[in-house]
Amino acid sequence: GEDVEQSLFLSVREGDSSVINCTYTDSSSTYLYWYKQEPGAGLQLLTYIFSNMDMKQDQRLTVLLNKKDKHLSLRIADTQTGDSAIYFCAEGRGNTPLVFGKGTRLSVIA
Amino acid sequence: DTGVSQNPRHKITKRGQNVTFRCDPISEHNRLYWYRQTLGQGPEFLTYFQNEAQLEKSRLLSDRFSAERPKGSFSTLEIQRTEQGDSAMYLCASSPQTGFGVETQYFGPGTRLLVL
Repeated sequence: GEDVEQSLFLSVREGDSSVINCTYTDSSSTYLYWYKQEPGAGLQLLTYIFSNMDMKQDQRLTVLLNKKDKHLSLRIADTQTGDSAIYFCAEGRGNTPLVFGKGTRLSVIA
Repeated sequence: DTGVSQNPRHKITKRGQNVTFRCDPISEHNRLYWYRQTLGQGPEFLTYFQNEAQLEKSRLLSDRFSAERPKGSFSTLEIQRTEQGDSAMYLCASSPQTGFGVETQYFGPGTRLLVL
């Protein structure tokens, strides 16, 4: 069945880069997403990548996709304290329900 | 605010009571999704609608759960005879139906349910 795995915790110093990793199992996934969730809030879409791409950059965010290994990563450059949150990786086919990982809690140390 | 809205934001109820949540999607979004998120987990799909038609229901959606979207706009999710295991955050998302490519899902703030 479909499954998305993420490491649960990541701690970085303010100003450093953060890299959050994700693996997925569904080879038919056409879109991979990154969402951010702050305490007590809903999910905010950060970015997504189409499966035939291997990289997407959006300001401080860089997404890398290795489709062969079914591995996705999100790099946040110049991490700030406001980036502290839970980051969810999700897979889907564009117009179907998403399958989410358990989330990676990013802590930014000032 | 033109985002997805959900009401109430918080609900505390006693075991055995019925509860109903409402979701108002982004205007003109055809698709509406319900997810459930328990502590320490990612959101899990419950059901979704295209306009007023309920297209898919997860096996998580027991007989005590029912969802409607009568006019293809707002949706309600009802839980009958609540159990403590129903305590969770209930998230609603909507997406446009483009007919091609990605149909990005935008999430509301969620309704946090606590069953005592």
